[in-house]
Amino acid sequence: DVKVTQSSRYLVKRTGEKVFLECVQDMDHENMFWYRQDPGLGLRLIYFSYDVKMKEKGDIPEGYSVSREKKERFSLILESASTNQTSMYLCASSLRQGGVEKLFFGSGTQLSVL
Amino acid sequence: TQLLEQSPQFLSIQEGENLTVYCNSSSVFSSLQWYRQEPGEGPVLLVTVVTGGEVKKLKRLTFQFGDARKDSSLHITAAQPGDTGLYLCATRSGTSYGKLTFGQGTILTVHP
Repeated sequence: DVKVTQSSRYLVKRTGEKVFLECVQDMDHENMFWYRQDPGLGLRLIYFSYDVKMKEKGDIPEGYSVSREKKERFSLILESASTNQTSMYLCASSLRQGGVEKLFFGSGTQLSVL
Repeated sequence: TQLLEQSPQFLSIQEGENLTVYCNSSSVFSSLQWYRQEPGEGPVLLVTVVTGGEVKKLKRLTFQFGDARKDSSLHITAAQPGDTGLYLCATRSGTSYGKLTFGQGTILTVHP
């Protein structure tokens, strides 16, 4: 089974802190993603990466950056956390089968910024 | 970015009842996926539909893709408490492989 592991289940940070969210996948997938999930808004794509050191902005990249130094690891960075970044953050990797991309998600990190 | 509208937003039913959840767009889907997310977990892919008019079944779940590929539905027969969760539809966004746009989700609660 594909395993996508997010380093923290819950995080509490203060406004202005630098925050790192880590994600590791064990299936050698090329693509990795960071989404945030808010009630009533579904999942919104922050950034994604299709190879080591390659990244592309998603729909809501403002206030975030990412790092992909190794294929299995994709990190989301909040340079200066703000209260409006309180959210559930979901990491995913994907596999292309039969012309269709299948996403495999981690269990999520619930981040609270106070 | 293609917008996906899901309805209803909330659904609370008794065990044994049937239900249908809808996912609609003003644009044609290249393909459509349904995910289920249980509390405290990430979404898990249930099915992918690609062809207009396609029907797929997964035990008590029936997924339908509209003929014009602008809508999809998920029907659950004889719902069970284990079906409780957030149901999300998603479609490919833009030209980048793997980039998906999600609907806002339907929260289903099945009471024993």
